[in-house]
Amino acid sequence: GENVEQHPSTLSVQEGDSAVIKCTYSDSASNYFPWYKQELGKGPQLIIDIRSNVGEKKDQRIAVTLNKTAKHFSLHITETQPEDSAVYFCAANVNNDMRFGAGTRLTVKP
Amino acid sequence: NAGVMQNPRHLVRRRGQEARLRCSPMKGHSHVYWYRQLPEEGLKFMVYLQKENIIDESGMPKERFSAEFPKEGPSILRIQQVVRGDSAAYFCASSHFDRSLPDTQYFGPGTRLTVL
Repeated sequence: GENVEQHPSTLSVQEGDSAVIKCTYSDSASNYFPWYKQELGKGPQLIIDIRSNVGEKKDQRIAVTLNKTAKHFSLHITETQPEDSAVYFCAANVNNDMRFGAGTRLTVKP
Repeated sequence: NAGVMQNPRHLVRRRGQEARLRCSPMKGHSHVYWYRQLPEEGLKFMVYLQKENIIDESGMPKERFSAEFPKEGPSILRIQQVVRGDSAAYFCASSHFDRSLPDTQYFGPGTRLTVL
């Protein structure tokens, strides 16, 4: 089955800096890669996703890149703000079978 | 359009009791997924259901756990004879099925189960 690795497990940045979280996957058939943000005590919220026919997608301060050959994808957050502090999960989906990375705890220091 | 709803939000059970967790998917969604999350850990897939069918239960423990998604009403995750190790947050997600595209899953707020 699919195996998703996520790095780093924790990330601390100064407000205004950029944050990058990286994930790798094992199943070349995976064709959908969502990213979720989870705040304390809440459910995961979808923040951006990318499908395998696209290499990059951007939504305001958030961007995701996908390298199908290398089987890795990354989340980029620019101009970070304290409210970006949360746990971020990547996932890889094949045939509606979605597997999550272990999560990255992002702390943005004011 | 209401999002995915789960109840109860918090559930306390003593060892040996039964826990029933409910999930109502987003309007128009016919697929439901259950995940378990231990503190400081990621989401572990448990089971994937559509109305009246279990599609994939490869993540479900073989004993004490069961799930259903009846034709009418919410999806139910049932844990019999709970043990302390069952304490976790249980999240439900739902999606709209589209054969041509992978489905985006939207999550509910979760049920936090504590076993005393």
